[in-house]
Amino acid sequence: DIVMTQSPDSLAVSLGERATINCKSSQSLLYSSNNKNYLAWYQQKPGQPPKVLIYWASTRESGVPDRFSGSGSGTDFTLTISSLQAEDVAVYYCQQYYSTSSFGQGTKLEIK
Amino acid sequence: EVQLVESGGGLVQPGGSLRLSCAASGFTLSSYWMHWVRQPPGKGLVWVSRINSDGSNTKYADSVEGRFTISTDNAKNTLFLQMNSLRAEDTAVYYCARGSYGSNSWIDSWGQGTLVTVSS
Repeated sequence: DIVMTQSPDSLAVSLGERATINCKSSQSLLYSSNNKNYLAWYQQKPGQPPKVLIYWASTRESGVPDRFSGSGSGTDFTLTISSLQAEDVAVYYCQQYYSTSSFGQGTKLEIK
Repeated sequence: EVQLVESGGGLVQPGGSLRLSCAASGFTLSSYWMHWVRQPPGKGLVWVSRINSDGSNTKYADSVEGRFTISTDNAKNTLFLQMNSLRAEDTAVYYCARGSYGSNSWIDSWGQGTLVTVSS
């Protein structure tokens, strides 16, 4: 089974500043036949189900603000929020879908 | 508009059974792979099970293998999760979720969830 590990567990960032969340997988999520990384990022606000932000490690879902970006390949990935807004306070999860599915433990993002 | 509405959650004693339902609308269930994902109170997301589009292939997390069964009723456009031999650690909000396309895909739609509490 693929284990996903996020860092940090929690993060406090000032409004307008950059927020960076990391995700590491226990094995490569890069499928050689199509050169795609099977990694998605989700945002979950209190009392709501998760919402997909990024898939294929760096493709932004339609309607997601362009301050959200994903990067990385193989086993190391990053979600970046370029300029934190108040509405970005949430828990963020990475998910691998290379082999069935598994999620990271989550990163709680707060305003400093 | 895609909608997923779960039902069937509630309080059950350890060792008991519960059947969750997920009514899908706005799309045809038989065209998508579907998942159940759970979230224990105050904790993170845990993938539970998935079924392929024609219902012929299922997969389970080790923690529920042999106790939970995922299935679909395409005539009713409904996804199910039969949960037997329930344990305290199965207490969670259970989300029904749709894979974006085919196998090995991200989740693009989620229900609001239904709470299952296993306690005596």
